[in-house]
Amino acid sequence: KNEVEQSPQNLTAQEGEFITINCSYSVGISALHWLQQHPGGGIVSLFMLSSGKKKHGRLIATINIQEKHSSLHITASHPRDSAVYICAQGTSGSRLTFGEGTQLTVNP
Amino acid sequence: NAGVTQTPKFQVLKTGQSMTLQCAQDMNHEYMSWYRQDPGMGLRLIHYSVGAGITDQGEVPNGYNVSRSTTEDFPLRLLSAAPSQTSVYFCASSRPGTFVNTEAFFGQGTRLTVV
Repeated sequence: KNEVEQSPQNLTAQEGEFITINCSYSVGISALHWLQQHPGGGIVSLFMLSSGKKKHGRLIATINIQEKHSSLHITASHPRDSAVYICAQGTSGSRLTFGEGTQLTVNP
Repeated sequence: NAGVTQTPKFQVLKTGQSMTLQCAQDMNHEYMSWYRQDPGMGLRLIHYSVGAGITDQGEVPNGYNVSRSTTEDFPLRLLSAAPSQTSVYFCASSRPGTFVNTEAFFGQGTRLTVV
């Protein structure tokens, strides 16, 4: 069974700081997903990647297949980035194995 | 497009009651799944479906039943609610992912309390 572990569990930052959230998995995967869950509860997909790096606005996701590790970076963080960030692995978007999530709080 | 729609958003049940959580998607996705989210744990897969008429169990299927009569709908039935089923439930859908990695789309969640 593939385990997905995230760190840190909780992260507090000041507005403008560079943020990194890490995700490790135990066996080879085909795709790594980064998801965002806002206080209202809804979950949205941020990235899906199987190699290299992807960027969307201030968000950057990287993956190292050899080390079984992925990172989510947020540049110039803002209070509206406060949310739970979740990594998950799986080929099909509907059959995912999830990490426990990282609660990010960005203070003004 | 509405995406993935779950109803109800909130529900309180008494132990032993039954109910159905509804999930509908308008993206013509073949794959649909139900997950539950509990504090201190990642989302866990309850049941999934790869198309109309096809369902299978996930990691935590006990106490839940599903059927998939249409591509659009994937209801989750609680047969006899127990306090251990107090959780937040999410429905998700995606295009088939056998050979191609596919993005997941989630509903807004149903917060269920069993007393």
